[in-house]
Amino acid sequence: AQRVTQPEKLLSVFKGAPVELKCNYSYSGSPELFWYVQYSRQRLQLLLRHISRESIKGFTADLNKGETSFHLKKPFAQEEDSAMYYCALNAPPNRGSNYKLTFGKGTLLTVNP
Amino acid sequence: GAGVSQSPRYKVAKRGQDVALRCDPISGHVSLFWYQQALGQGPEFLTYFQNEAQLDKSGLPSDRFFAERPEGSVSTLKIQRTQQEDSAVYLCASSLAAGLNTEAFFGQGTRLTVV
Repeated sequence: AQRVTQPEKLLSVFKGAPVELKCNYSYSGSPELFWYVQYSRQRLQLLLRHISRESIKGFTADLNKGETSFHLKKPFAQEEDSAMYYCALNAPPNRGSNYKLTFGKGTLLTVNP
Repeated sequence: GAGVSQSPRYKVAKRGQDVALRCDPISGHVSLFWYQQALGQGPEFLTYFQNEAQLDKSGLPSDRFFAERPEGSVSTLKIQRTQQEDSAVYLCASSLAAGLNTEAFFGQGTRLTVV
């Protein structure tokens, strides 16, 4: 069974400081990993996915299969980054199927001025 | 519409009452998902449709929960004889196709409170 663990429920940093939101997963195969973000009073939206290897809003995340981690990082946090962040795993039974995201419990990031 | 639309946004039900939650996915999206998000938790998978076919309902917590998508567009999640533990935000998501790495777009959710 797949599982996603986000060990920090709350994370508070000052503007301009580096930030790292931790995510560890448990899955025996090769999963697809995502970070979703929910800003205040907005809907859940995709931030980035590991397969794209992209940087969105200054955030990056590298899939480390050895450590089964997918930590989200940003070198200089901004106040507008304050939001709830969810790490999610997609482990379809058949490749090619967007299927059954498994989410962590989320980390609430607060960036203080 | 511009995105996934859910109604009602808020629902208060008395214990034992039946409720129906509606999801309007993005037009043309083949895949539709329902998730349940309890307070302080991440979303948890309930069920998945590909067009009108319900391919996976393994996440439905009991036989009081029933979902349908009869014409492959709008979906309804029905909860019979609601219990207090059913109180949660119910999220609907849709994606363009059942393809690798396609993005799921979420609605704003329906917050159900059972009193």
